[in-house]
Amino acid sequence: DAGVIQSPRHEVTEMGQEVTLRCKPISGHDYLFWYRQTMMRGLELLIYFNNNVPIDDSGMPEDRFSAKMPNASFSTLKIQPSEPRDSAVYFCASSFGPHEQFFGPGTRLTVL
Amino acid sequence: SQQGEEDPQALSIQEGENATMNCSYKTSINNLQWYRQNSGRGLVHLILIRSNEREKHSGRLRVTLDTSKKSSSLLITASRAADTASYFCATVGLNFGKGTSLLVTP
Repeated sequence: DAGVIQSPRHEVTEMGQEVTLRCKPISGHDYLFWYRQTMMRGLELLIYFNNNVPIDDSGMPEDRFSAKMPNASFSTLKIQPSEPRDSAVYFCASSFGPHEQFFGPGTRLTVL
Repeated sequence: SQQGEEDPQALSIQEGENATMNCSYKTSINNLQWYRQNSGRGLVHLILIRSNEREKHSGRLRVTLDTSKKSSSLLITASRAADTASYFCATVGLNFGKGTSLLVTP
């Protein structure tokens, strides 16, 4: 298996633009997690899904952030409109059951 | 989401020494996991301890769990320069926090 796949790896955009981050979990995994990492706040859980259903989205910063999981092999995290304070590394992770999480390489987002 | 909090935030030791880092959490858990993150990379799972376990070993790693105190500790014995990384504790639904940054010098 190729592991968790995230795209793009790097994204530079201007304030106000829409940003879409993509994640392909490991086949057969039933949990999917989105995290954001910054120096100031560490690694924050934004949202997680179980069997494609959002379970806890209390970490989503505000209405500008939305996440979807239309099927078991794909998820998106969308920021609209983006702001400079959204600059961070965004990680996607998946797991089989509430156990070991496998992380993707991350998307480094820079909002100018 | 609840947050796992690692302590200390930074730890510097010499090769061969042991490194101990701690984790506290506030919610009930089914298991607790420890992860390592090398600079600029994703997290890698190290070890999982279930709520009914008190101690677990894996190679040079030893993890303890005290559910009554809602705390866990990770011990790395005979540390190596390659152990230099950030270490996080977590479980499903927990923020990972800022982790413990471990520096092992030759």
